[in-house]
Amino acid sequence: GAGVSQSPSNKVTEKGKDVELRCDPISGHTALYWYRQSLGQGLEFLIYFQGNSAPDKSGLPSDRFSAERTGGSVSTLTIQRTQQEDSAVYLCASSLVVANTEAFFGQGTRLTVV
Amino acid sequence: AQSVTQLDSQVPVFEEAPVELRCNYSSSVSVYLFWYVQYPNQGLQLLLKYLSGSTLVKGINGFEAEFNKSQTSFHLRKPSVHISDTAEYFCAVSEVGRSQGNLIFGKGTKLSVKP
Repeated sequence: GAGVSQSPSNKVTEKGKDVELRCDPISGHTALYWYRQSLGQGLEFLIYFQGNSAPDKSGLPSDRFSAERTGGSVSTLTIQRTQQEDSAVYLCASSLVVANTEAFFGQGTRLTVV
Repeated sequence: AQSVTQLDSQVPVFEEAPVELRCNYSSSVSVYLFWYVQYPNQGLQLLLKYLSGSTLVKGINGFEAEFNKSQTSFHLRKPSVHISDTAEYFCAVSEVGRSQGNLIFGKGTKLSVKP
């Protein structure tokens, strides 16, 4: 596609349920990033992928959060046993390679945990 | 570790007035510097970036920023703003030689342009 695509655009879930957020990067982009944007916390880096591997998972806030990428393309961010503090906008970005190239952001998934 | 401080959380300004959005950073290593803009209900769009070379960087929509190494600043400026510039602006850094997508962001400045 022309840009980074994220789905769903909005997700409301009950506390304790698991959710999956999807990111389709720009075709040919080998690097993929997940960020969380929440009130009071600003934009937080969560994880990035180089191909299918994740060299840096340092930003994942707890072991309830996990992410995978298959085929060097689509990525899924999974949050297990959601809590109200997980409510945020989850942004995905991709770039051509890891180093020295611009990252392009998707429009995000707004997650609300009730 | 790096950190980014955006000193103003909100900046109201009248249309056609000049504006400056302030950004200071802290880092023990060399960094790349970025400004992103986020319009309501949209993702982030890159305005401009400083990687090396000239310290005055020009970006899209008439914005520019100047890298000042001694003051560790990267302030964003526009000589005459439009209503359509109303958005949230984020300053960010990444470590030189590493991914430009692995970014440390400031908390953002909401620019509100009034007629």
